[in-house]
Amino acid sequence: SQTIHQWPATLVQPVGSPLSLECTVEGTSNPNLYWYRQAAGRGLQLLFYSVGIGQISSEVPQNLSASRPQDRQFILSSKKLLLSDSGFYLCAWTRQRGGYEQYFGPGTRLTVT
Amino acid sequence: AQSVTQLGSHVSVSEGALVLLRCNYSSSVPPYLFWYVQYPNQGLQLLLKYTSAATLVKGINGFEAEFKKSETSFHLTKPSAHMSDAAEYFCAVSARGGGSYIPTFGRGTSLIVHP
Repeated sequence: SQTIHQWPATLVQPVGSPLSLECTVEGTSNPNLYWYRQAAGRGLQLLFYSVGIGQISSEVPQNLSASRPQDRQFILSSKKLLLSDSGFYLCAWTRQRGGYEQYFGPGTRLTVT
Repeated sequence: AQSVTQLGSHVSVSEGALVLLRCNYSSSVPPYLFWYVQYPNQGLQLLLKYTSAATLVKGINGFEAEFKKSETSFHLTKPSAHMSDAAEYFCAVSARGGGSYIPTFGRGTSLIVHP
């Protein structure tokens, strides 16, 4: 069976500090991978998605970036965090051909102080 | 192009009462439709999906949804609410056939269950 991991589960970082969130998927190959953010009390905002190694599409221009160094690894980064980067970050995967249901990780709660 | 509208950001029901969460969609191609549930501080979990087989779809935890093409709706129902159903529910649409890698989510409906 497939599983998706995210870490860390919670993170408190000062403004201006760097960020690295990691997501890994097990039990499948060539998944589409996604990063979402949820602000408090709001819906899902798609940040990045990837259909293959080294292929990243950005949906929202901002101070975040994403990388996919391996087939089942997706990393969300920032060089300098802003207060507005606080939120709940979710990684998800779906089958390669698209159009199928997404499977979500447990999420990372980021608080920028 | 595709979009999802969830009517009502909050729905409040009594324990044992019918649950009805509304979802209307638009899609330029035949859609796949999904309902997800999110408990506090957790990721989203798939409740059920419509992929063009039966129009009445049964999911986990006693939930079901009916695809109505003429009404472009995919409402979620459960005959009798339980306290454990209190959560955020998201409706989503995705283009069938891999036309797009990006599903579209509704803004979510918070289900409140009163004892």
